[in-house]
Amino acid sequence: AQSVAQPEDQVNVAEGNPLTVKCTYSVSGNPYLFWYVQYPNRGLQFLLKYITGDNLVKGSYGFEAEFNKSQTSFHLKKPSALVSDSALYFCAVRPLTGGGNKLTFGTGTQLKVEL
Amino acid sequence: DAGVIQSPRHEVTEMGQEVTLRCKPISGHNSLFWYRQTMMRGLELLIYFNNNVPIDDSGMPEDRFSAKMPNASFSTLKIQPSEPRDSAVYFCASSFATGGFGETQYFGPGTRLLVL
Repeated sequence: AQSVAQPEDQVNVAEGNPLTVKCTYSVSGNPYLFWYVQYPNRGLQFLLKYITGDNLVKGSYGFEAEFNKSQTSFHLKKPSALVSDSALYFCAVRPLTGGGNKLTFGTGTQLKVEL
Repeated sequence: DAGVIQSPRHEVTEMGQEVTLRCKPISGHNSLFWYRQTMMRGLELLIYFNNNVPIDDSGMPEDRFSAKMPNASFSTLKIQPSEPRDSAVYFCASSFATGGFGETQYFGPGTRLLVL
């Protein structure tokens, strides 16, 4: 069975500083990996995904994520954080084969960007 | 496109009452997912459909919950009878499944359910 771990419940960063939100996964075989963001009282919004190819994936709002197969990680990054990036971030995984098109989500990481 | 549409956005009901949540997926999408989000349990997949057929309902908590998808543009999640522990935000999501499993799920705004 697949699983996702987001080891930090909350990440605090100053505006203008780089940010990293961590995600590790467990899946049989190769994964599809996703990042979603949730603003207060809103649904989840797709940010980016890794399917295959280049390990560095670029997504919406200046976010990017790096797939590291040896470390089974898919950390979300942004070079310069904005206060408006403050939100709840979810990592999700699905195996390349088998498991249907069911996503398994992590528990979420609350990002707080302060002035 | 209007995105995934859910109704109602908020629902307050009393224990024992029937609750029906509605979802209209993005036009052209052929997979639909129902999720529940709570502080305690996070985001849980309840059930999903491919081409209007339920594929996996292993996440449905118990027989009080049922879901239907009578056509490609409409789905319902029903709770009967409702209990206070059902209070949560219920999300519907849809995707265009190509069989490659790399497709993106798009989420609706959610229905915030409070059972008193």
